Amino acid sequence: GENVEQHPSTLSVQEGDSAVIKCTYSDSASNYFPWYKQELGKRPQLIIDIRSNVGEKKDQRIAVTLNKTAKHFSLHITETQPEDSAVYFCAARGGSTLGRLYFGRGTQLTVWP
Amino acid sequence: DAGITQSPRHKVTETGTPVTLRCHQTENHRYMYWYRQDPGHGLRLIHYSYGVKDTDKGEVSDGYSVSRSKTEDFLLTLESATSSQTSVYFCAISESIGGGISYNEQFFGPGTRLTVL
Repeated sequence: GENVEQHPSTLSVQEGDSAVIKCTYSDSASNYFPWYKQELGKRPQLIIDIRSNVGEKKDQRIAVTLNKTAKHFSLHITETQPEDSAVYFCAARGGSTLGRLYFGRGTQLTVWP
Repeated sequence: DAGITQSPRHKVTETGTPVTLRCHQTENHRYMYWYRQDPGHGLRLIHYSYGVKDTDKGEVSDGYSVSRSKTEDFLLTLESATSSQTSVYFCAISESIGGGISYNEQFFGPGTRLTVL
C-alpha cells in the first residue's frame, strides 16, 4: 500500500513568519492529496487539497504544491497567526483503493506571538 | 460540520470486555471509515465500508470487527478489549450521492475517547 512520510514532526515559528510542512508518498498512482488541521481536542478538518493534475493551489494564506516526479507535496502557510497553532496532517489517496486515504504522522505547529 | 455523530463520546472499560462504538451519519454518504489516533502515529485506518454490508480491512484491523447494516450506521466492535486499544477513535465519511461534496473529501466525526483498564 501507500506510505506517507511527513516532516518535521514539530515546528515553531514567530507570528508573521512562514511555515512549511513537507510530505512524501510512495505510490506513483496516488492522485489526491488533502491536508487536515486538528486543534487540540477537536476533529481533523480539511483545509486544502490538491489533485494530481495540478501543481499548485492557493487559498488565502495557505498553499499546497505537488511535485509528482519527486513524489512529494508541501503545505505553505504565510503570515502565520497564533490561531494557526495545531497539528497538521497530510494524506494521499492510493491509486488502487477507492477513497482510502493514507495519513502522515502529523506536524505540531506552534506560532508564538 | 457534516452530519456525523459518534457514540459514546467517552468510555472507560476493563480488559476483556466487549465494546461497540457507533458512527451515525445523516449525509447519505456511501463511504465510511474508522480510524484510531495515537500520539506519534497520526491517523491509522482500522476498517472501512464502501456500501451496506461491504467492508474491508485497514492497516490496524486486528482485534476489531465492523458492521454496516444500513447506510447511516457503521459499528466498530472490540470483541475483547485490551489496554493497547486505548485510543481516540474517529469515524469519517465521504461522497454524497447526488450532493455537492466531492468524492474524495473525508469529513470526520467528533471522536470517541476509549480507555481500557
